[in-house]
Amino acid sequence: NFMLTQPHSVSESPGKTVTISCTRSSGSIASNYVHWYQQRPSSSPSIVIYEDNQRPSGVSDRFSGSIDSSSNSASLTISGLKTEDEADYFCQSYDNTNMIFGGGTKLTVL
Amino acid sequence: QLQLQESGPGLVKPSETLSLTCTVSGDSIIRSSYYWGWIRQPPGKGLEWIASVFYSGNTYYNPSLKSRVTISVDTSNNQFSLRLSSVTAADTAVYYCARRTDTNTFDSWGQGTLVTVSS
Repeated sequence: NFMLTQPHSVSESPGKTVTISCTRSSGSIASNYVHWYQQRPSSSPSIVIYEDNQRPSGVSDRFSGSIDSSSNSASLTISGLKTEDEADYFCQSYDNTNMIFGGGTKLTVL
Repeated sequence: QLQLQESGPGLVKPSETLSLTCTVSGDSIIRSSYYWGWIRQPPGKGLEWIASVFYSGNTYYNPSLKSRVTISVDTSNNQFSLRLSSVTAADTAVYYCARRTDTNTFDSWGQGTLVTVSS
């Protein structure tokens, strides 16, 4: 199985743009979809990006996802940061039938 | 609107078996394109997938937990369940049930239930 590595924390100011990376340890990042979840304090995770770059209905278009084969990583980009975006973000992919989560990134908006 | 609700004891003794049930409302568990699963989160830590089940009874397990885990589905009551045996303090976590799509997205989650392993 592979691992998904995320930065432990990132911070940025309101109105700015932040990108959170998710690097796959082995095998191609393009081989399996990557999904992204937002978890606000004391709440359940919720999907913000699915299938690498698809946004569920109801999720702000300030959220976008991409993959980069050269760095073997996926990225979640949040533009026009708002204080309400402050949360933990987790990437997730899979290896056959095994679901794999990244360790999570704490986003601070200050 | 789909809702998932976890239920079960909040305290389990070491070496005993943790048992949780997820009740699904607003959708039928036998919809052919969805799987149903359990994910846990130790306090202050990240997410760990435990297991998934299809309405037909096909099961899928995290290899690191497989020897201790059983997941099952009860289509008549629109529920699915988790059993984790021989628990230790390391199994203390918030346990979430969730719906999983056929592209392996967990698109709907329960509110989670904290299970503490302690004597």
